[in-house]
Amino acid sequence: SSELTQPPSVSVSPGQTASIPCSGDKLGDKYACWYQQKPGQSPVLVIYQNTKRPSGIPERFSGSNSGNTATLTISGTQAMDEADYYCQAWDSSTVGVFGTGTKVTVL
Amino acid sequence: QVQLVESGGGVVKPGGSLRLSCAASGFAFSDYYMTWIRQAPGKGLGWVSYISPRGSTIYYVDSVKGRFTISRDNAKNSLYLQMNSLRAEDTAVYYCARGWGSSGLTYWGQGTLVTVSS
Repeated sequence: SSELTQPPSVSVSPGQTASIPCSGDKLGDKYACWYQQKPGQSPVLVIYQNTKRPSGIPERFSGSNSGNTATLTISGTQAMDEADYYCQAWDSSTVGVFGTGTKVTVL
Repeated sequence: QVQLVESGGGVVKPGGSLRLSCAASGFAFSDYYMTWIRQAPGKGLGWVSYISPRGSTIYYVDSVKGRFTISRDNAKNSLYLQMNSLRAEDTAVYYCARGWGSSGLTYWGQGTLVTVSS
């Protein structure tokens, strides 16, 4: 399965928009998921099937996927959104692959 | 509410074995794919294995093939990971998670730490 590349870190000011890219070959042909992991905690699914939010996930989290890049967008970023974020992609093969992870810092 | 509780982690010497368990509650366990994910200290997430609801479909990441065995007991709402011939690079927190595919891993356990060291 192909690799998924994310920037190691993204910084954002409170109330601003954070965009986290995830790059992979023909990623737009696959389904992307996104997970949030806070220090010392288990990951939490925040986006699945490219754009859908699980129950309980705030509307400020949104996703898109086209071409070679999937993107997680956090609108009106809050201090509580500071965490590591991982993309994950599925295609017709039997297994998904995780991205390298991005640390989001809310300054 | 959905709960996944892992157990069985610990410190083991290289070449040793451990059996991880994941006790599930709050949902129809026999209806779902189940997955083991691991995270080495300070590193990212990585696939280990998954198993279909009735156990007919199983996947292993290449690095654990022939050493790890995933299984489930639907009557006991439990998922297992038998880990043999452990290596230092298997050191990680091991999470069990519910799900597979494009719907994502919707619930995760708290993780159990496996340390392989002499």
